[in-house]
Amino acid sequence: AQKVTQAQTEISVVEKEDVTLDCVYETRDTTYYLFWYKQPPSGELVFLIRRNSFDEQNEISGRYSWNFQKSTSSFNFTITASQVVDSAVYFCALSERRGNEKLTFGTGTRLTIIP
Amino acid sequence: GAGVSQSPSNKVTEKGKDVELRCDPISGHTALYWYRQSLGQGLEFLIYFQGNSAPDKSGLPSDRFSAERTGGSVSTLTIQRTQQEDSAVYLCASSLNTARDGSPLHFGNGTRLTVT
Repeated sequence: AQKVTQAQTEISVVEKEDVTLDCVYETRDTTYYLFWYKQPPSGELVFLIRRNSFDEQNEISGRYSWNFQKSTSSFNFTITASQVVDSAVYFCALSERRGNEKLTFGTGTRLTIIP
Repeated sequence: GAGVSQSPSNKVTEKGKDVELRCDPISGHTALYWYRQSLGQGLEFLIYFQGNSAPDKSGLPSDRFSAERTGGSVSTLTIQRTQQEDSAVYLCASSLNTARDGSPLHFGNGTRLTVT
């Protein structure tokens, strides 16, 4: 069965610090997809990134970067030089090629950036 | 607009009453999902539609919950005889293909349901 674990419930950092959000997943499928979503205080879930299981190349988008490591079943998300606008709940999610037709979410990490 | 639209944005109802929540997906998206988010919790899958069919209803918590989708577009989630534990934010999402194909889900702003 698919499972996503986000062990960090809440994180607070001072603005301009770097912060890494951890995501560990479990799957028996060889083909799967991993996602990160951002949920700001306004409530709408915003899609940030998708990776497939065959592409372990790390990705950088501006201040955001993602580190996918199959060896440790992790898909961690780093924000560099954090800003107050980064304050949100961040969800990691997993879907399986041979699994159910749904996205399984972790419980989320609430990130607070202190000005 | 171009995004997923949900209505109402807020709903307060008395215990025992029925409620209907509406979702208007992104045009052309064949897959539609309902999720529930309780206060401070993660997202709980409820039901998935492909077109007008619901091949996966495994997340519906009880027979008081039902959903339909018509014309491959608008979906309605109905909760009968609401209970206080039904209070949550109900999120609708749509995607071009399916989660199994790796399509990202695009979410609406949700309906915040409060049962008093």
